[in-house]
Parts: sequence; C-alpha cells; structure tokens
Amino acid sequence: QKEVEQNSGPLSVPEGAIASLNCTYSDRGSQSFFWYRQYSGKSPELIMFIYSNGDKEDGRFTAQLNKASQYVSLLIRDSQPSDSATYLCAVSMEYGNKLVFGAGTILRVKS
Amino acid sequence: DTEVTQTPKHLVMGMTNKKSLKCEQHMGHRAMYWYKQKAKKPPELMFVYSYEKLSINESVPSRFSPECPNSSLLNLHLHALQPEDSALYLCASSQGLLTGELFFGEGSRLTVL
Repeated sequence: QKEVEQNSGPLSVPEGAIASLNCTYSDRGSQSFFWYRQYSGKSPELIMFIYSNGDKEDGRFTAQLNKASQYVSLLIRDSQPSDSATYLCAVSMEYGNKLVFGAGTILRVKS
Repeated sequence: DTEVTQTPKHLVMGMTNKKSLKCEQHMGHRAMYWYKQKAKKPPELMFVYSYEKLSINESVPSRFSPECPNSSLLNLHLHALQPEDSALYLCASSQGLLTGELFFGEGSRLTVL
C-alpha cells in the first residue's frame, strides 16, 4: 500500500465547475496535510494546509479532512483554465517524521 | 518572485565532471531541503538540514554531497553522476524542521550525458 495515494487523472472539468481532488493516506497517526500545485515545468507551490478534521476555506479553495477515513480532499470552485496543473497531496507522517508526497493528480480545466 | 533562489537553472554535465547546485533563502527559515523530481513523478526527499546540521539523508548515493555553509545557503555537490541522475533538483526551505509548509525554489534542471 502506498503511503499517500492520489488518482493520477487527468481530471477534466469545464470552466466554472467544481473540481474535486482526492487523497488517501496510510499512517493513521498523521497530523498535517498539504496541497501543492505544480504547473508544468515549474516547482511546487503550497496552496492549502489543514490540520483538523472538517473543512478549511481559502478563496476558491476548500480543503477537507476526515482522519477517521484517512482521507483529504481539495475542492476548487469556479475552476479556471489557469487552475490546470498537477495537484500534489502531501502528508506529514508520524513515523519517520517526514513529509510524503502523493503522485499527483493532473487537472485540466476546459474553457 | 520566489524567495528561494537556485542556480544554475539548467546544467549539463558529463559523467566525469564535478559541479555544484546552489540555493539561497532570505526568509530566516531554519530548515532547508534538497528534493529530486523526475518527469511525471512527485518530489523525492534527498537531504534535510536543520540549523545548518544534516538531519536527514534518505540513503542518497555518495556521488551527491550536500553542504550547508550557513543558515541561508545550501549547496549540492555533484560528482561522477550517471545519466539516470538527470532530473529537476529542487531546493526548499521551511520555518522549522519537518513542517510540511515548504517554500520551493524554481529548481535546477540537470542533464547528465
């Protein structure tokens, strides 16, 4: 079982729709969860982090965390073509004390 | 503009060459990282420095040698690399050790011939 799993996609959504990106993780003791956005040929950029169960909203982005289900998601409302990128889920694992990245989900927003 | 600066942006080297990648940050962060990223793969952690001391070495081959001269600078010395070492090398920094809130530089794209 991979430590952090994401559907590789591509996930295609029309402009203006809600994009839903999902991530599951294996370490039940994990406490911190992060979403990075990476444009093609660029470096990752942190866009959201969440530490507590529930929802956290920042502009068009909402991160959702369910520790019981070991599941974290990122919702992007009113998706724009400029949101087209790879979204990396990263989890701070309790064991080994390290940040583990998922393989990333490619998002394509069609205008 | 990124606050973590990496040089060079592109590097081509032969297998017998010695070269270095450099990274600088002026955010007062105390932890600095080297990651390696191959195409269509997530970043892989190589080294972590905390307060200028090597904290984590993810079993990286000795042909990669990190150095942290001070709290703002991080180098990665390269020697006798293999073509499979060709990748994007990313430097990152964070306020403290092992927080997931990383600030990445733009990366150095390395090609080994």
